[in-house]
Amino acid sequence: AQKVTQAQTEISVVEKEDVTLDCVYETRDTTYYLFWYKQPPSGELVFLIRRNSFDEQNEISGRYSWNFQKSTSSFNFTITASQVVDSAVYFCALSEWNYGQNFVFGPGTRLSVLP
Amino acid sequence: DAEITQSPRHKITETGRQVTLACHQTWNHNNMFWYRQDLGHGLRLIHYSYGVHDTNKGEVSDGYSVSRSNTEDLPLTLESAASSQTSVYFCASSERRTGREGQFFGPGTRLTVL
Repeated sequence: AQKVTQAQTEISVVEKEDVTLDCVYETRDTTYYLFWYKQPPSGELVFLIRRNSFDEQNEISGRYSWNFQKSTSSFNFTITASQVVDSAVYFCALSEWNYGQNFVFGPGTRLSVLP
Repeated sequence: DAEITQSPRHKITETGRQVTLACHQTWNHNNMFWYRQDLGHGLRLIHYSYGVHDTNKGEVSDGYSVSRSNTEDLPLTLESAASSQTSVYFCASSERRTGREGQFFGPGTRLTVL
């Protein structure tokens, strides 16, 4: 069965620090998609990134970067030089191609960036 | 611009009452989903639909129902509201069943059952 684990419930950092949010997934499928979503205090869910199982290249978008490692079933998210506006709950999610075909979300990590 | 809207945004109801939460999308997506969000659980899938007249149960479907009579709408009904159904409810849609482009979410409905 598909499962997503985000072991860090809450993280607090001081502004300008780098922070990595961990995501570990379980799947029996060979084709799957991984996602990160941000939920700021206003409550909406904002799509950040999608990665398919055949593409293990790391991706960088401004201060955000993602490290996908199939060998450890991990899809970690790093924010460089964090800012107060990065304070939010971050969710990792998994969607399988052949099984379920539905999203499974991790429990989320609450990031607080202090000024 | 295409969007997903949910109504009401906030709802307070009493135990035993029937409640319907509306979801309307203008993406013209065939695939629509309902989730509930509770502290410590992330988002859990309640029901989903892959097209008109198609509905499927998700992980936590007991006490909920949906119907899909057109592409744009997927209303969620709580047949007899219970305090355990106090939660924030999100509607989402996606272009593909696999959701490989990601899901687009509505703003959420906060439901309180007293």
